[in-house]
Amino acid sequence: AQKITQTQPGMFVQEKEAVTLDCTYDTSDPSYGLFWYKQPSSGEMIFLIYQGSYDQQNATEGRYSLNFQKARKSANLVISASQLGDSAMYFCAMREAGGSNYKLTFGKGTLLTVNP
Amino acid sequence: GAGVSQSPSNKVTEKGKDVELRCDPISGHTALYWYRQSLGQGLEFLIYFQGNSAPDKSGLPSDRFSAERTGGSVSTLTIQRTQQEDSAVYLCASSLLWRTSNYGYTFGSGTRLTVV
Repeated sequence: AQKITQTQPGMFVQEKEAVTLDCTYDTSDPSYGLFWYKQPSSGEMIFLIYQGSYDQQNATEGRYSLNFQKARKSANLVISASQLGDSAMYFCAMREAGGSNYKLTFGKGTLLTVNP
Repeated sequence: GAGVSQSPSNKVTEKGKDVELRCDPISGHTALYWYRQSLGQGLEFLIYFQGNSAPDKSGLPSDRFSAERTGGSVSTLTIQRTQQEDSAVYLCASSLLWRTSNYGYTFGSGTRLTVV
C-alpha cells in the first residue's frame, strides 16, 4: 500500500488565489512527521513546512499552511495568494519514528501551475 | 559549504559503462542520504550514512549500485554496468542528527543521469 498518496497529478491556480494540494498518508506508528517540499524546474528540493503527529496546532510558514486532519490521515498544503514563482512540483513526505526513522517516504507529487 | 553540492549536474553515459556521482554535504551534517527520482515518480530511498555507523543500504536496487562516504563527509554513489532503467535524477541530502531536525533534509540540486 502507498504510504503517501497525492491524488492530484496537476493543479492550476490563478495568481493571487489560494490553492490546496492534497496529501493522505498511511501509518500505524503513533509518532510521525509530515513534510512538504517544493521542487522548481531547477531540480532542487526546497523544504516548506513540517507537522508533527503530536502537534496540537496546524503548522504555518508564511503563505504556507498545513491542514492537518489526523483522524482522516490527511495533511493538505494550502498556499495563499499564489505567485507565479510558486509554479513547481510539490511533494508530501512522511517520516515514521519507528524502524528506519531517518527515511522520508515521498508521494509522487503534484505539479502546480500558477497562471497570470 | 553553504549547501549540499553534487557533481556532475548532468551525465550522459553509454549503456554498460560505470559512473560515479559525487555529493559534498553541508559541513557538520552527520547524516547523508541518496535518493533517486525517476521520471514522473516521487523520490526513492537508496542509502543512508550516519557518522561512523554501518550504512543502511536497503534501498539500493541491485548489486550494481554501491556508495561510500569518506571521512564522514564526501560521498560517492557508483553505478556499474549502467542500464537504461538507471536513467534518473540522483539526489543527495544531508541533515543534522534526525532527532533534532524537523526540517527533513537539505537537498542538493541532483545529478541527472542519462544512459543511452
